[in-house]
This record gives sequence, C-alpha cells and structure tokens, in this order.
Amino acid sequence: ETGVTQSPTHLIKTRGQQVTLRCSSQSGHNTVSWYQQALGQGPQFIFQYYREEENGRGNFPPRFSGLQFPNYSSELNVNALELDDSALYLCASSLASKGRMGTEAFFGQGTRLTVV
Amino acid sequence: GDSVTQMEGPVTLSEEAFLTINCTYTATGYPSLFWYVQYPGEGLQLLLKATKADDKGSNKGFEATYRKETTSFHLEKGSVQVSDSAVYFCALRRYSGGGADGLTFGKGTHLIIQP
Repeated sequence: ETGVTQSPTHLIKTRGQQVTLRCSSQSGHNTVSWYQQALGQGPQFIFQYYREEENGRGNFPPRFSGLQFPNYSSELNVNALELDDSALYLCASSLASKGRMGTEAFFGQGTRLTVV
Repeated sequence: GDSVTQMEGPVTLSEEAFLTINCTYTATGYPSLFWYVQYPGEGLQLLLKATKADDKGSNKGFEATYRKETTSFHLEKGSVQVSDSAVYFCALRRYSGGGADGLTFGKGTHLIIQP
C-alpha cells in the first residue's frame, strides 16, 4: 500500500507566475484536501475534493484552484503568485464512506514553495 | 468560526519527564479531535484521535481524552524520550450536512527533549 506522495518537493517561482503542485492519494482513498503551512504556523485548510468535485473551501482567494482526477490524484494551482504564498503545501487523503466522511487524513511530505 | 488553541512553545523537558501539552477548541456541533506530529523536514503523522466525548485516544505512550465540558483535548505522556522531539499539532474536524469539513489546526507546540 503506497502512501500519499507529492511533487515536486521544492520549487522556486517568481512573483506573478503560476504554479501547479501534484498529489497522489493513498491507495483506496477518494478524498483529497490541501493545506498551506507558513513557517512556524499550523496548516491552514485551502480546499477539499471528493469524487472530483470541490466540497469544502477555506478562506483562500479564487486564484487558488484545484482538480481531482478519476484516479483520485489531485492538483493545486496558484495563479498570480505573491511573496506571501511562500509556504509548505500539504496534501492529505482520506476515505469517505456513504453518509459519513472518513475521519482520518493521511498527509504527504509536502511541497516547499518559495516565491521571490 | 472553528478554532484550536495550543500552549505556546518551545517546551523543553528532560528525558523521562512527564509531558502535558494543552489544547482547547471552539467549534459548533460534535467535532472529531486529533493530535498530529511533525518531525523536521517531514509531513504530518497522525498520533491519535477521538471521535466523541469521553473517548480516549492513545498511541506510542501518548494519551488524550476528549473533554466536551471543558472543550479540551490535552496530550500527555508519562515518560518522554529524546526521539519524541518534534512539533505537535492539535486539530479538529467537523461534520455538517454536506460531509466533513477540512481540518482546523492549532499553531503547534515545539517539544524539545534533552538527554
């Protein structure tokens, strides 16, 4: 059973550019959520996808968008990068069953994004 | 909105000391509660969880009890080791009509265990 994997591990972008981060869910999981973790802070919820549809969103602007694919892998896209977007981006997967969402989320190692 | 408050760190203890990391929460409904641990350069690992009031989560010698009356989920360990040095995050996940919300995390507590 493979865990949650994210790519790339590190990335440097220039302010104003666009970036795409990728996540492969743990085998058998159908729900993916993304988090932004600034240095020295706790992770902040960006959004969540269940069966290819967004079903929850935190307090992030529309330039943060995502996709979930039929194999439950996911992408996080950020447009018009700002310096404050520099952070560790974490992906988490879980298994949701009918009538109740799974409680346990498994995290990947994260992608460290630096915006200069 | 939902929130989680943890004691400020860093917390520095000697090996074999007793550990308590305080966590309180604010949320509507009946959230599930979690402790995650993050080692340097790594992602988050689930340490333990509790899904309803008075549940006790435990793992690797760590324990936490879901106290609804005090809205708390304090993490405890009777005898810490150097290998327990890490950042610990308390988190909650709420369930609404549309399913599970994302996790809400505290700011984290950096634990340092000295030999």
